[in-house]
Amino acid sequence: QSALTQPRSVSGSPGQSVTISCTGSRSDVGGYNYVSWYQQHPGKAPKVLIYDVTNRPSGVPDRFSGSKSGNTASLTISGLQGDDEADYYCCSYAGSYKFVFGSGTKVTVL
Amino acid sequence: QVLLLQSGAEVKKPGASVKVSCKTSGYTFSDSYIHWVRQAPGQGLEWMGWINPITGDTNLAQTFEDRVTMTRDTSITTAYMELNRLTSDDTAMYYCARKKFLEYFDPWGQGALVTVSS
Repeated sequence: QSALTQPRSVSGSPGQSVTISCTGSRSDVGGYNYVSWYQQHPGKAPKVLIYDVTNRPSGVPDRFSGSKSGNTASLTISGLQGDDEADYYCCSYAGSYKFVFGSGTKVTVL
Repeated sequence: QVLLLQSGAEVKKPGASVKVSCKTSGYTFSDSYIHWVRQAPGQGLEWMGWINPITGDTNLAQTFEDRVTMTRDTSITTAYMELNRLTSDDTAMYYCARKKFLEYFDPWGQGALVTVSS
């Protein structure tokens, strides 16, 4: 199972919006509505932002939103803030009770 | 408060094995699977597999099927991941994470750094 494809990096100024894509196949992203997104600051464990494509766990700001079209899922960060500078990973169910992560995207706040 | 506390850093020689523990607390051990995810230095997250705390059944990523054993001790609500025949490519941070059915990985352990070096 190959990693899902994410852009290596995206950047934006404070207050702007950025969108991170996560491209897989019909065997993972496109076949199930089980895509989640994680934020990881340097030296820390990942934290969940989005699950089941569009849902936010309690405590996650509504600046973070998720969507999916075909084999590509997306995470949008609105009103970009300094603390949003981190690495972001998508994760998809891949059938047979297995999972696959994306390659990761570094978000830089200019 | 749900917590996953992992064992400390390890340094191993190529060909050796390593066993990482994940002590859970703050929830009913049987209500969630424990997943293992690793991250090589400067690299992305890699899903390794899960263990069902009730039955002990496991499901491993194909990459690890012949080298990883996942176990648990329900009496002390602890999960274990053992990786055999280590190579330098196995140098990574190893995380455990709780996942309830149809939910997400949360929380994660603090990670256990495994370094493979001769």
